[in-house]
This record gives sequence, structure tokens and C-alpha cells, in this order.
Amino acid sequence: QKEVEQDPGPLSVPEGAIVSLNCTYSNSAFQYFMWYRQYSRKGPELLMYTYSSGNKEDGRFTAQVDKSSKYISLFIRDSQPSDSATYLCAMSEVRNTDKLIFGTGTRLQVFP
Amino acid sequence: DAGVTQSPTHLIKTRGQQVTLRCSPKSGHDTVSWYQQALGQGPQFIFQYYEEEERQRGNFPDRFSGHQFPNYSSELNVNALLLGDSALYLCASSLQRQLNQPQHFGDGTRLSIL
Repeated sequence: QKEVEQDPGPLSVPEGAIVSLNCTYSNSAFQYFMWYRQYSRKGPELLMYTYSSGNKEDGRFTAQVDKSSKYISLFIRDSQPSDSATYLCAMSEVRNTDKLIFGTGTRLQVFP
Repeated sequence: DAGVTQSPTHLIKTRGQQVTLRCSPKSGHDTVSWYQQALGQGPQFIFQYYEEEERQRGNFPDRFSGHQFPNYSSELNVNALLLGDSALYLCASSLQRQLNQPQHFGDGTRLSIL
């Protein structure tokens, strides 16, 4: 079993839809949770970063962490074609500068 | 403010050869981590360098080695290349003492092994 599980998709939605992306994990020591966006032929770009359980909102993006269920989510409101990319969840244990454990990534396509 | 820069962007090698990839961290960062991203997969941690020493290592063989220079830049070396080493190699940088700032990635070096 992988430490971090993520549905690879692809996920195809119309413009304006609410998108829900999810990851589950097995290592209860994870404390730092991140979402990265990766466009084709580019490196991962940090979208959201949270420490421990709770919610965090930034514009159209909301990240949720439920440590009791070992489950994290990223919601994208009013999705745009420019949101079409691969979304990677990542986690680390002791501190955020530690090695990151990534999910496989979910490919999202938002069509006009 | 320059972000993480990596060179070269693309590289083609043959089996058995050796390769060196380079990374300059984001300005002000002192820690460099290297990741391997196979096609359709998430990045996998190779190792991390801080104060010119390897601090953490993932599940990669000794063919993968690295170095960090006094200016915090870093190199990743891979010996005896295998077909399975074909991947996007990503460098990420961070500041050790800054607990709330996660890692920033470069755009990677795409390595193809023939």
C-alpha cells in the first residue's frame, strides 16, 4: 500500500463547476499538507499549505485536512479553463522542509 | 527575485553513461532537495542537502549521488544510467529555519535514456 493515495483521474468538468480533489494517507506522523499544481512540462507550483487539521481558504481554493480520517481535500470554486493541470497532494512529517511524500496526481480538465 | 533554476532543461543519454544535473535555489534559500518524477507519477524524494551535507535520503541506489556548494547550489549525479532512469528530475529549495515556508520547485530537467 502506498503512503499517499490519489485518484489519477482524468477529471473533466465544465467551466464554473466546483471541483473536489482528494488524497488519503496511511502515515499518522504526517503533519504538513500541501497541494501543488503542475502544468505540462513545468515544475510543481505551490497552491495551498496547511499544518495539521482544519480548513484554509485562498481565493477560489479551499484546502481541508481531517487527520482523524487521514483524508485531505482541495476544492476549486468557479473553475476556469486555466485551472486545467495536474494537481498533486504532498505531505511531510516533522517539518515542512522535510522530504515530501506525493500522491500520483489528479489530471483536471476544465472545458469552456 | 529568481526562483529555482535548473539546467539543462532536456538531456538525452544512453545506457551506462553518467549524467550531472544542476540546480540553483531560490534566492535566500539554503536547503536543496532532489526528486524524480516518472511519467504519470508523483515526484519521489531522492535526497536533501543542507550545509553541504546529505541530510536525508530516499529509497534510491548509490548510483545517485549529489553535492552542495558553498553558494547553496547543488548537483545531482547519476552513474551507470538505466532505461528506468528516464524521468523529470526536479529540484526544490527551502530555508531550514523558516518553519512555515514550504519547498519551491524548479521546472526540472527531462532526462531520456536510449
